[in-house]
Amino acid sequence: GEDVEQSLFLSVREGDSSVINCTYTDSSSTYLYWYKQEPGAGLQLLTYIFSNMDMKQDQRLTVLLNKKDKHLSLRIADTQTGDSAIYFCAEGSGGNQGGKLIFGQGTELSVKP
Amino acid sequence: ETGVTQSPTHLIKTRGQQVTLRCSSQSGHNTVSWYQQALGQGPQFIFQYYREEENGRGNFPPRFSGLQFPNYSSELNVNALELDDSALYLCASRGGAGEHEQYFGPGTRLTVT
Repeated sequence: GEDVEQSLFLSVREGDSSVINCTYTDSSSTYLYWYKQEPGAGLQLLTYIFSNMDMKQDQRLTVLLNKKDKHLSLRIADTQTGDSAIYFCAEGSGGNQGGKLIFGQGTELSVKP
Repeated sequence: ETGVTQSPTHLIKTRGQQVTLRCSSQSGHNTVSWYQQALGQGPQFIFQYYREEENGRGNFPPRFSGLQFPNYSSELNVNALELDDSALYLCASRGGAGEHEQYFGPGTRLTVT
Protein backbone atom coordinates (compact mmCIF):
# COMPACT_ATOMS: atom_id res chain seq x y z
CA GLY A 1 0.00 0.00 0.00
CA GLU A 2 0.90 3.63 -0.02
CA ASP A 3 2.91 4.83 2.94
CA VAL A 4 5.27 7.70 3.66
CA GLU A 5 7.46 7.76 6.76
CA GLN A 6 9.50 10.51 8.37
CA SER A 7 11.39 10.89 11.60
CA LEU A 8 9.37 13.01 14.01
CA PHE A 9 11.90 15.50 15.39
CA LEU A 10 15.11 17.25 14.38
CA SER A 11 16.99 19.86 16.37
CA VAL A 12 19.83 21.94 14.92
CA ARG A 13 21.81 25.07 15.75
CA GLU A 14 21.30 28.25 13.78
CA GLY A 15 23.73 28.37 10.86
CA ASP A 16 24.07 24.57 10.64
CA SER A 17 22.62 22.47 7.83
CA SER A 18 19.44 20.48 8.45
CA VAL A 19 18.68 17.22 6.70
CA ILE A 20 15.15 15.86 6.86
CA ASN A 21 14.63 12.32 5.59
CA CYS A 22 11.63 10.54 4.15
CA THR A 23 10.90 7.07 2.79
CA TYR A 24 7.96 6.08 0.63
CA THR A 25 6.57 2.83 -0.67
CA ASP A 26 4.69 3.61 -3.88
CA SER A 27 7.08 2.96 -6.78
CA SER A 28 4.61 4.57 -9.20
CA SER A 29 5.01 7.96 -7.53
CA THR A 30 5.72 10.56 -10.16
CA TYR A 31 6.29 13.63 -8.03
CA LEU A 32 7.68 14.01 -4.53
CA TYR A 33 7.04 17.16 -2.58
CA TRP A 34 8.24 19.03 0.46
CA TYR A 35 5.82 21.25 2.33
CA LYS A 36 6.37 23.47 5.38
CA GLN A 37 3.71 24.11 8.02
CA GLU A 38 4.06 26.77 10.68
CA PRO A 39 1.89 26.66 13.82
CA GLY A 40 -1.78 27.28 13.07
CA ALA A 41 -1.16 27.69 9.35
CA GLY A 42 -1.74 25.81 6.13
CA LEU A 43 0.92 24.09 4.04
CA GLN A 44 3.49 26.04 2.08
CA LEU A 45 4.94 24.31 -0.99
CA LEU A 46 8.73 24.50 -0.70
CA THR A 47 9.87 22.41 -3.62
CA TYR A 48 9.18 19.22 -5.53
CA ILE A 49 11.13 16.76 -7.63
CA PHE A 50 10.11 14.64 -10.55
CA SER A 51 10.83 10.95 -10.03
CA ASN A 52 13.34 10.73 -12.90
CA MET A 53 15.59 13.30 -11.23
CA ASP A 54 18.27 12.61 -8.61
CA MET A 55 18.70 16.08 -7.25
CA LYS A 56 17.14 19.51 -7.32
CA GLN A 57 18.57 22.67 -5.80
CA ASP A 58 16.60 25.81 -5.06
CA GLN A 59 18.49 28.52 -3.14
CA ARG A 60 19.10 27.10 0.36
CA LEU A 61 17.13 23.92 -0.35
CA THR A 62 18.56 20.75 -1.87
CA VAL A 63 16.39 17.73 -2.56
CA LEU A 64 18.00 14.33 -3.08
CA LEU A 65 16.05 11.36 -4.43
CA ASN A 66 17.21 7.75 -4.33
CA LYS A 67 14.52 6.03 -6.32
CA LYS A 68 16.00 2.57 -5.85
CA ASP A 69 15.74 2.87 -2.06
CA LYS A 70 12.61 5.07 -2.23
CA HIS A 71 14.38 7.64 -0.07
CA LEU A 72 13.94 11.38 -0.28
CA SER A 73 15.78 14.04 1.68
CA LEU A 74 15.57 17.79 2.10
CA ARG A 75 18.70 19.68 3.04
CA ILE A 76 18.37 23.24 4.33
CA ALA A 77 21.64 25.13 4.26
CA ASP A 78 22.43 27.84 6.84
CA THR A 79 19.33 27.02 8.88
CA GLN A 80 17.66 30.04 10.50
CA THR A 81 15.26 30.32 13.44
CA GLY A 82 12.55 31.19 10.94
CA ASP A 83 12.95 27.71 9.48
CA SER A 84 11.49 26.21 12.68
CA ALA A 85 8.30 24.44 11.55
CA ILE A 86 6.92 21.03 10.63
CA TYR A 87 8.12 19.67 7.31
CA PHE A 88 6.05 17.17 5.35
CA CYS A 89 7.11 15.06 2.45
CA ALA A 90 4.40 13.82 0.12
CA GLU A 91 4.16 11.61 -2.93
CA GLY A 92 1.80 11.99 -5.85
CA SER A 93 1.15 10.27 -9.15
CA GLY A 94 0.47 13.37 -11.23
CA GLY A 95 -1.99 13.42 -14.11
CA ASN A 96 -5.70 13.45 -13.47
CA GLN A 97 -5.18 11.99 -10.00
CA GLY A 98 -2.45 14.46 -9.19
CA GLY A 99 -4.55 16.08 -6.50
CA LYS A 100 -4.16 13.00 -4.33
CA LEU A 101 -1.03 13.35 -2.27
CA ILE A 102 0.09 10.89 0.39
CA PHE A 103 1.76 12.70 3.25
CA GLY A 104 4.15 11.58 5.93
CA GLN A 105 3.55 12.40 9.58
CA GLY A 106 5.82 15.41 9.44
CA THR A 107 9.21 16.24 10.95
CA GLU A 108 9.28 18.99 13.52
CA LEU A 109 12.42 21.06 12.98
CA SER A 110 13.62 23.09 15.96
CA VAL A 111 16.35 25.65 15.31
CA LYS A 112 18.20 26.88 18.37
CA PRO A 113 20.01 30.23 18.34
CA GLU B 1 0.38 33.91 -0.23
CA THR B 2 -1.06 31.05 -2.28
CA GLY B 3 -4.22 32.71 -3.53
CA VAL B 4 -6.30 29.96 -1.93
CA THR B 5 -8.69 31.13 0.78
CA GLN B 6 -10.91 29.18 3.16
CA SER B 7 -13.79 30.08 5.44
CA PRO B 8 -14.52 30.06 8.25
CA THR B 9 -11.21 30.02 10.10
CA HIS B 10 -12.61 28.21 13.12
CA LEU B 11 -15.87 26.41 13.74
CA ILE B 12 -17.40 24.57 16.69
CA LYS B 13 -20.19 22.07 16.08
CA THR B 14 -22.04 19.47 18.11
CA ARG B 15 -21.97 15.75 17.39
CA GLY B 16 -24.68 14.82 14.89
CA GLN B 17 -24.80 18.24 13.23
CA GLN B 18 -23.87 19.04 9.65
CA VAL B 19 -21.17 21.47 8.51
CA THR B 20 -20.19 23.20 5.28
CA LEU B 21 -16.66 24.46 4.73
CA ARG B 22 -15.74 26.74 1.85
CA CYS B 23 -12.71 27.22 -0.33
CA SER B 24 -11.86 29.68 -3.06
CA SER B 25 -9.17 28.52 -5.46
CA GLN B 26 -6.77 30.51 -7.58
CA SER B 27 -8.34 31.77 -10.78
CA GLY B 28 -7.78 29.23 -13.53
CA HIS B 29 -7.23 26.32 -11.15
CA ASN B 30 -9.85 23.78 -12.12
CA THR B 31 -8.75 21.02 -9.75
CA VAL B 32 -9.44 21.22 -6.02
CA SER B 33 -8.63 18.64 -3.36
CA TRP B 34 -9.69 18.45 0.26
CA TYR B 35 -7.64 17.04 3.11
CA GLN B 36 -8.26 16.31 6.77
CA GLN B 37 -5.38 16.90 9.16
CA ALA B 38 -5.83 15.53 12.67
CA LEU B 39 -3.67 16.97 15.42
CA GLY B 40 -0.08 15.76 15.15
CA GLN B 41 -0.68 13.96 11.86
CA GLY B 42 -0.06 14.57 8.21
CA PRO B 43 -2.97 15.56 5.96
CA GLN B 44 -5.20 12.74 4.71
CA PHE B 45 -6.72 12.98 1.23
CA ILE B 46 -10.53 13.16 1.27
CA PHE B 47 -11.38 13.71 -2.39
CA GLN B 48 -10.58 15.65 -5.52
CA TYR B 49 -12.84 17.60 -7.88
CA TYR B 50 -12.02 18.36 -11.48
CA ARG B 51 -14.33 20.52 -13.56
CA GLU B 52 -17.12 20.18 -11.01
CA GLU B 53 -17.03 16.38 -10.78
CA GLU B 54 -15.48 14.15 -8.14
CA ASN B 55 -12.69 12.15 -9.76
CA GLY B 56 -10.81 10.63 -6.85
CA ARG B 57 -11.63 9.75 -3.27
CA GLY B 58 -9.69 8.65 -0.23
CA ASN B 59 -10.80 6.38 2.58
CA PHE B 60 -13.63 8.57 3.88
CA PRO B 61 -17.31 7.62 4.29
CA PRO B 62 -20.10 9.02 2.08
CA ARG B 63 -21.13 11.52 4.76
CA PHE B 64 -18.16 13.52 3.47
CA SER B 65 -19.29 15.14 0.23
CA GLY B 66 -18.27 18.06 -1.89
CA LEU B 67 -19.22 20.50 -4.58
CA GLN B 68 -17.15 22.52 -7.00
CA PHE B 69 -18.51 25.58 -8.78
CA PRO B 70 -17.55 27.24 -12.08
CA ASN B 71 -16.22 30.31 -10.26
CA TYR B 72 -13.32 28.29 -8.74
CA SER B 73 -15.02 27.98 -5.35
CA SER B 74 -15.81 24.69 -3.68
CA GLU B 75 -17.43 23.24 -0.57
CA LEU B 76 -16.82 20.34 1.75
CA ASN B 77 -19.94 19.05 3.51
CA VAL B 78 -19.85 16.69 6.44
CA ASN B 79 -23.07 15.16 7.77
CA ALA B 80 -23.72 13.47 11.10
CA LEU B 81 -20.59 14.89 12.69
CA GLU B 82 -18.58 12.65 14.98
CA LEU B 83 -16.05 13.62 17.62
CA ASP B 84 -13.25 12.18 15.46
CA ASP B 85 -14.10 14.67 12.72
CA SER B 86 -12.39 17.35 14.81
CA ALA B 87 -9.42 18.39 12.66
CA LEU B 88 -7.93 21.03 10.40
CA TYR B 89 -9.55 20.83 6.96
CA LEU B 90 -7.38 21.98 4.10
CA CYS B 91 -8.26 22.62 0.51
CA ALA B 92 -5.67 22.69 -2.23
CA SER B 93 -5.88 23.78 -5.83
CA ARG B 94 -3.84 23.18 -8.94
CA GLY B 95 -4.15 24.14 -12.58
CA GLY B 96 -5.13 20.76 -14.02
CA ALA B 97 -3.77 17.41 -15.18
CA GLY B 98 -0.56 18.91 -16.56
CA GLU B 99 0.13 20.97 -13.47
CA HIS B 100 1.86 19.37 -10.53
CA GLU B 101 2.20 22.27 -8.10
CA GLN B 102 -0.57 22.09 -5.55
CA TYR B 103 -1.26 25.11 -3.35
CA PHE B 104 -2.97 24.91 0.01
CA GLY B 105 -5.27 27.29 1.80
CA PRO B 106 -4.84 28.20 5.48
CA GLY B 107 -7.43 25.66 6.61
CA THR B 108 -10.56 25.58 8.72
CA ARG B 109 -10.20 24.30 12.28
CA LEU B 110 -13.32 22.24 13.08
CA THR B 111 -14.05 21.21 16.66
CA VAL B 112 -16.86 18.74 17.32
CA THR B 113 -18.12 18.55 20.90
